[in-house]
Amino acid sequence: KAGVTQTPRYLIKTRGQQVTLSCSPISGHRSVSWYQQTPGQGLQFLFEYFSETQRNKGNFPGRFSGRQFSNSRSEMNVSTLELGDSALYLCASSLRTDSYEQYFGPGTRLTVT
Amino acid sequence: AQTVTQSQPEMSVQEAETVTLSCTYDTSESDYYLFWYKQPPSRQMILVIRQEAYKQQNATENRFSVNFQKAAKSFSLKISDSQLGDAAMYFCAYRIRQGAQKLVFGQGTRLTINP
Repeated sequence: KAGVTQTPRYLIKTRGQQVTLSCSPISGHRSVSWYQQTPGQGLQFLFEYFSETQRNKGNFPGRFSGRQFSNSRSEMNVSTLELGDSALYLCASSLRTDSYEQYFGPGTRLTVT
Repeated sequence: AQTVTQSQPEMSVQEAETVTLSCTYDTSESDYYLFWYKQPPSRQMILVIRQEAYKQQNATENRFSVNFQKAAKSFSLKISDSQLGDAAMYFCAYRIRQGAQKLVFGQGTRLTINP
């Protein structure tokens, strides 16, 4: 069974632009969570989706948004990029919201210049 | 708010020796999970071991074991017979058991294995 895939793997954007990152969960998994990893703040929870509904949201500004499609694939969008948005964005999938294990993707490395 | 603290930014150990990574957490919940994740240079986050808070028995996975002290809110990871492939960042993480997949992570401990 294929693992969690994230596209693109690397991205370079300019301040003020917007970006969309994609995550395809493991087949059959319906819960997708997103995390931001930076050297300064560490790993921080962004949002969680289940059955196309956002169930939880972390403490991030409204520039960060996401959605989930009927096939469980998820996208996150960051508008008006700032230098501080440079990070590794990790996606994780699980079978259900009460599943104990989350399977992480390889991440998307976003660099904002 | 739940917090997770890893007080050791870096640790090193000789190959084949044993090393213990520390983690403390703060929560008012009674039903939760605790995890140790490994992140090698590839950045792929890999689950090492998990512990359910309602279980008194410490979890074990091959060379990896935990010392879970619920009253002290402590959750340390012991790696026995350390191998070169164990070199990575190790993150302690917490989540409530029901209702959310949100993981709260510690700042991580970088583990170096000396040959």
